[in-house]
Amino acid sequence: DVVMTQSPLSLPVTLGQPASISCRSSQSLLYSDGNTYLNWFQQRPGQSPRRLIYQVSNRDSGVPDRFSGSGSGTDFTLKISRVEPEDVGIYYCMQGTDWPPSFGQGTKVEIK
Amino acid sequence: EVQLVESGGGVVQPGGSLRLSCTASGFTFHHSNMHWVRQAPGKGLEWVALVNGDSSATDYAASVKGRFSISRDNSKNSLHLQMSSLRSDDTALYYCASGMTARLIDYWGQGTLVTVSS
Repeated sequence: DVVMTQSPLSLPVTLGQPASISCRSSQSLLYSDGNTYLNWFQQRPGQSPRRLIYQVSNRDSGVPDRFSGSGSGTDFTLKISRVEPEDVGIYYCMQGTDWPPSFGQGTKVEIK
Repeated sequence: EVQLVESGGGVVQPGGSLRLSCTASGFTFHHSNMHWVRQAPGKGLEWVALVNGDSSATDYAASVKGRFSISRDNSKNSLHLQMSSLRSDDTALYYCASGMTARLIDYWGQGTLVTVSS
């Protein structure tokens, strides 16, 4: 099974400043169809997860453009260009390339 | 608007059974793959099971294989998870989730809590 490793696990940030979360997979997430099935989810306190980014860098409808995803192969990054109060929560990467799907441990973003 | 509403959670004794349901609306249900994902209290996300659009394919996490069964009724836009031989480590919030392909998860429900305790 593919192991997803996120870092850091805790990320205190100053409002208005950038934030970056790393996600590494134990094997390449490039699938035979040419797609890379790496997604990012946000889980605000007391809420269900919500997808932000799919297939590495595609932002979902309604997701602010301060969120961006990048990477390839085994190394991926979620960036928030300027952290807002509503960005507090836990962020998870998830791979769907290899079966079974697997999630990272989560990165808790909080305001300093 | 996509809506996924889970039900059926509760408290059950170890070794017992429980059936979870999820009612979907706002999208073409029979075209979507459907997943169950769980989250133990204070922990991360764990994929549990998948059924494809026409129920011709299902798959399970190793931790639940042989104990859980996923099914769907496209005529009622509903998804189910039959859980048996429940253990304390099955205690979690169970989410129903949709995906246009098996390799994507698009939308999540609000979850239903399963507590396995004597």
